[in-house]
Amino acid sequence: RKEVEQDPGPFNVPEGATVAFNCTYSNSASQSFFWYRQDCRKEPKLLMSVYSSGNEDGRFTAQLNRASQYISLLIRDSKLSDSATYLCVVNPTSGTYKYIFGTGTRLKVLA
Amino acid sequence: GAGVSQSPSNKVTEKGKDVELRCDPISGHTALYWYRQSLGQGLEFLIYFQGNSAPDKSGLPSDRFSAERTGGSVSTLTIQRTQQEDSAVYLCASSPDRFQPQHFGDGTRLSIL
Repeated sequence: RKEVEQDPGPFNVPEGATVAFNCTYSNSASQSFFWYRQDCRKEPKLLMSVYSSGNEDGRFTAQLNRASQYISLLIRDSKLSDSATYLCVVNPTSGTYKYIFGTGTRLKVLA
Repeated sequence: GAGVSQSPSNKVTEKGKDVELRCDPISGHTALYWYRQSLGQGLEFLIYFQGNSAPDKSGLPSDRFSAERTGGSVSTLTIQRTQQEDSAVYLCASSPDRFQPQHFGDGTRLSIL
């Protein structure tokens, strides 16, 4: 089993739709979780950290489910500009530097 | 403020040549990472520097790859005797410390002919 797994997609959704992605991780001791966004031929950019209690940033909501070992990202009221690949990032062990990146979920928001 | 700066943006070279890639992290960031991303693939960890500590080189794919970080700031990744499979985007990231999210540079797109 991969350390971090994501559905590659693509998820094709109309503008204004709500879409959610999950990311599963294998190491139950994982401590830090992030979502990054990567546009085509661009560098990854931090979208948001994921906190145990869940957190929201505008139209974006991140959740952590430790029991089932997954994190999720919910995007409400999708915009064309949300089209990108969303990378799940996990720090498998507290205090280590080796962050594991998922291969990403591709989102296409259609007009 | 200034972000992570990488140079060159693009590099095309012949198989067998040596290449040197440069990364200038965000000022004050003690943690610096190098990754490689092949087309359609995820990020592959290469090496990590934290302050003046010995780097973690466990991700370097072969002894043709080496990296340095001078004065705790600028880093160079060197690939000797390049092979076609080295073609990829090489990304550098820095963070205030190893517990904080990483900020990436634009990357160097390396093509080996």
